[in-house]
Amino acid sequence: DGGITQSPKYLFRKEGQNVTLSCEQNLNHDAMYWYRQDPGQGLRLIYYSQIVNDFQKGDIAEGYSVSREKKESFPLTVTSAQKNPTAFYLCATQGPGAIIQPQHFGDGTRLSIL
Amino acid sequence: LAKTTQPISMDSYEGQEVNITCSHNNIATNDYITWYQQFPSQGPRFIIQGYKTKVTNEVASLFIPADRKSSTLSLPRVSLSDTAVYYCLVGDLSGNTPLVFGKGTRLSVIA
Repeated sequence: DGGITQSPKYLFRKEGQNVTLSCEQNLNHDAMYWYRQDPGQGLRLIYYSQIVNDFQKGDIAEGYSVSREKKESFPLTVTSAQKNPTAFYLCATQGPGAIIQPQHFGDGTRLSIL
Repeated sequence: LAKTTQPISMDSYEGQEVNITCSHNNIATNDYITWYQQFPSQGPRFIIQGYKTKVTNEVASLFIPADRKSSTLSLPRVSLSDTAVYYCLVGDLSGNTPLVFGKGTRLSVIA
């Protein structure tokens, strides 16, 4: 989706290291989401944010942290506490609450352990 | 949140119509039904969305019976490029409640 940029496309983490995945959007959407996808599985929600400076835990938040200092940006940090971080990470946005809109997804970041 | 159930996988030959049915027995009054398509190593892409009866766009049709407890995504004349995973989601889409993705239906189109 051209309006959502995830970087990097591939990322490698060493044991005990924190890494941050970037998600930037120019869609002017309020809500942003982070999902994790393991091979052959569906998407599981890590964190989501409905407004700047506010975010909520999803189903699998342990070992992850986020911030929402700007409307356009919702970075995800995979901490050393996340013991099995190898997965495909997807960022999504959704438009204003008054309008029924589908979620828009970025192209993902694939994280692997060295 | 409404839970959805859909077949794990389906096979089809090129040129055939494919119908994927999703069950959502506890759908709420404010919930919409949304279908996404996902190719390997890409983010899901929105296909179609509906509330009741029938919705059609240039890609697919969505059939929703009166009780809204199920829905059927119809892909006309599939091609090899339609091989993907298809997700059915149910939610109010306000942004206040995150959508829940199940495992989806893996469609394989055969030449």
